[in-house]
Amino acid sequence: KNQVEQSPQSLIILEGKNCTLQCNYTVSPFSNLRWYKQDTGRGPVSLTIMTFSENTKSNGRYTATLDADTKQSSLHITASQLSDSASYICVVSADWAGRRALTFGSGTRLQVQP
Amino acid sequence: NAGVTQTPKFQVLKTGQSMTLQCAQDMNHNSMYWYRQDPGMGLRLIYYSASEGTTDKGEVPNGYNVSRLNKREFSLRLESAAPSQTSVYFCASPPVVGHLRKQFFGPGTRLTVL
Repeated sequence: KNQVEQSPQSLIILEGKNCTLQCNYTVSPFSNLRWYKQDTGRGPVSLTIMTFSENTKSNGRYTATLDADTKQSSLHITASQLSDSASYICVVSADWAGRRALTFGSGTRLQVQP
Repeated sequence: NAGVTQTPKFQVLKTGQSMTLQCAQDMNHNSMYWYRQDPGMGLRLIYYSASEGTTDKGEVPNGYNVSRLNKREFSLRLESAAPSQTSVYFCASPPVVGHLRKQFFGPGTRLTVL
């Protein structure tokens, strides 16, 4: 069964600090992995997308890494800001025979405090 | 270019009532999805439509029906609402590869069934 596990479930950090969120998956056949940011009461917004051959992808202060061998991904946030307070969701896509299945992690809730 | 829009934003129903959630996208995408999001469970796929005129069941289709009215619109219907269907519902339409930062989730519909 395809699964995506995220850790930690929640995290509190001080403004300006860095943090790393983890995503482990058992999805096959792997197509790509996305990280989303979801503000409270809003729909998820895509931060990064990585395919099998990509090890790292940056989007401003967000840097995602992917180890396809160990099936692990991380999202590193640098110099956190109050606006980074949100849920971060890891989504893994499996494509086969023209069909696509997305498996979502339950997310990490990040709170950045002043 | 509004991306993905959903209506209504909030809805309260009594058990047994019916309603239709509307979703529209102006990105000319073929695929559209309906998800529900419950605390601690991540997003779960209800139904999806790979192209106009086709629909397929996702992970949790029971109690729902869908209609892909045209390429732009994909509606989700609850024929006889149950308290277990209290959730936040998201419509999504996958972006073309390369439009990584384009939001492709709708803002969500918060549904409460009493």
